[in-house]
Amino acid sequence: GQQVMQIPQYQHVQEGEDFTTYCNSSTTLSNIQWYKQRPGGHPVFLIQLVKSGEVKKQKRLTFQFGEAKKNSSLHITATQTTDVGTYFCAGHGGYNKLIFGAGTRLAVHP
Amino acid sequence: DGGITQSPKYLFRKEGQNVTLSCEQNLNHDAMYWYRQDPGQGLRLIYYSQIVNDFQKGDIAEGYSVSREKKESFPLTVTSAQKNPTAFYLCASRDTGGSQPQHFGDGTRLSIL
Repeated sequence: GQQVMQIPQYQHVQEGEDFTTYCNSSTTLSNIQWYKQRPGGHPVFLIQLVKSGEVKKQKRLTFQFGEAKKNSSLHITATQTTDVGTYFCAGHGGYNKLIFGAGTRLAVHP
Repeated sequence: DGGITQSPKYLFRKEGQNVTLSCEQNLNHDAMYWYRQDPGQGLRLIYYSQIVNDFQKGDIAEGYSVSREKKESFPLTVTSAQKNPTAFYLCASRDTGGSQPQHFGDGTRLSIL
């Protein structure tokens, strides 16, 4: 079945350093969504990418969708302690299902 | 204020007991989902429903049951057949028009006594 792999599983950075998480799908995706889950909280939708090669920015966050629509990345510039949490990518698996990656847990040390 | 309400926030289950987790949404969404999240892990789909009176098994449906009698409600029962129920359970809903995002409730933490 369709799988969405996400790396790294865990990363800790010093405040001010950059951070990137990568997402790879075993099949071509119609679109990809990114979610953030704060510790003890629930996932919150960040953004959706639809077009091949698409790049979207939200302040210090940059999201990219690969040309083949099988991979995606989230890059955070100059991390802050408020960026702490787990970042999930998710691709559509048909029948209105989302296939979530395992997530990348980000720890930011002040 | 529109949203998804899950209750209770914390739940304890005794051996051999069935427990039901509530999920209610007032977003007028057709599709609803139940996920299980284990510590440090991702989201695994238990059941989902695209319309009232219809639901499908997800990847880990064994030991769980659901019903969808009303559009607003999608309760999950964790049966005694689920031998390792301790986890964080998340309910979500979405509008089925286009590729809409999922909206999540605050979750229920279930533990075995």
